[in-house]
Amino acid sequence: AQSVAQPEDQVNVAEGNPLTVKCTYSVSGNPYLFWYVQYPNRGLQFLLKYITGDNLVKGSYGFEAEFNKSQTSFHLKKPSALVSDSALYFCAVRSNQAGTALIFGKGTTLSVSS
Amino acid sequence: NAGVTQTPKFQVLKTGQSMTLQCAQDMNHNSMYWYRQDPGMGLRLIYYSASEGTTDKGEVPNGYNVSRLNKREFSLRLESAAPSQTSVYFCASSEAPGDPYGYTFGSGTRLTVV
Repeated sequence: AQSVAQPEDQVNVAEGNPLTVKCTYSVSGNPYLFWYVQYPNRGLQFLLKYITGDNLVKGSYGFEAEFNKSQTSFHLKKPSALVSDSALYFCAVRSNQAGTALIFGKGTTLSVSS
Repeated sequence: NAGVTQTPKFQVLKTGQSMTLQCAQDMNHNSMYWYRQDPGMGLRLIYYSASEGTTDKGEVPNGYNVSRLNKREFSLRLESAAPSQTSVYFCASSEAPGDPYGYTFGSGTRLTVV
């Protein structure tokens, strides 16, 4: 069975500081990993994905994520946080096996203070 | 703009009433999905359709039915609404069941059952 864990309900950082939002996963086969962001009263927007290749993936708005197979993790990072990064972030995973759907974590609220 | 369109955006139902949530995509995607979002629960998969003519249950299918009307449209029906179905419902689509790409999400339907 597939599962995703986001251990932190909320992450607070000061503007200009680096941020990390954690994600661990469990999946049969090789994983496809994703990060989405949701702003208030909006749908989910795609940030970045890991399919194969380099473990460090770069995405939209300066975000990046590092795939760590041994630790089954896919943490989202940004070197310098902006107040506008404040939002709800979801990690998602699916197996590379055909016919499976994305499974989402419970979400982490990122709050960036000025 | 190309994307996923959900109707209605807001709905209030009385317990026991029925309704259908509509979803349409114009990206020629093969696969479509229905999720519900509840505070602290993240997104949970209700049903999905890997391709036209097929539907499969997700994590929380009870109380719902779906119809893949054609390649573009995937509707979600509540036959007898219950307060536990108060939620925000998101429809999504992707190119193919086994593709490594992320999903495109609609803007959501906020449903309240009283």
